[in-house]
Amino acid sequence: AQSVTQLDSQVPVFEEAPVELRCNYSSSVSVYLFWYVQYPNQGLQLLLKYLSGSTLVKGINGFEAEFNKSQTSFHLRKPSVHISDTAEYFCAVRETSGSRLTFGEGTQLTVNP
Amino acid sequence: EPEVTQTPSHQVTQMGQEVILRCVPISNHLYFYWYRQILGQKVEFLVSFYNNEISEKSEIFDDQFSVERPDGSNFTLKIRSTKLEDSAMYFCASRQDRLNTEAFFGQGTRLTVV
Repeated sequence: AQSVTQLDSQVPVFEEAPVELRCNYSSSVSVYLFWYVQYPNQGLQLLLKYLSGSTLVKGINGFEAEFNKSQTSFHLRKPSVHISDTAEYFCAVRETSGSRLTFGEGTQLTVNP
Repeated sequence: EPEVTQTPSHQVTQMGQEVILRCVPISNHLYFYWYRQILGQKVEFLVSFYNNEISEKSEIFDDQFSVERPDGSNFTLKIRSTKLEDSAMYFCASRQDRLNTEAFFGQGTRLTVV
């Protein structure tokens, strides 16, 4: 079984500041890693995914994440946030041989002017 | 761009009533899912469906839940006798095939049991 921990439930930042949303996972087998974003009153949208290869993955809207196998982490970063990045962000894992996604608790990112 | 659509967006029902949540997955996708998110809690897996049968279900998915793909386009989640604790946002998702790793989610149906 896998588990995902998002260490910060809320992250307030000012516009144009950098941000890092932290995610750690636990699994006894190989996993794929994902970040999803949920804007207010909308569904879950994939930001980026790590399958294999380069540990630094780039996604939509200027976000990127780095897979660190030794620390079992997959932190999400953006060098300069916009007001429109205000949303809930979910880290998720899936076994490479499996089907279901296991989600973290979510991190509410609030970007203030 | 193709998307997963869910109806209704919000449903209010009385405790003990049956509800059916509807989803239209992306047309060439083969794997279908239901997840739920109770307010303030994690998104939780309920069930996956492939080749017209349940391929995996969680411990949450007990006898009061059922899924169906009644035709070539719809995928439904039925809750037979709703309880207060079934109040949640329910998300449908679909995935193209076994090799394609990305699941696409709908906007969700907010179910409120009163």
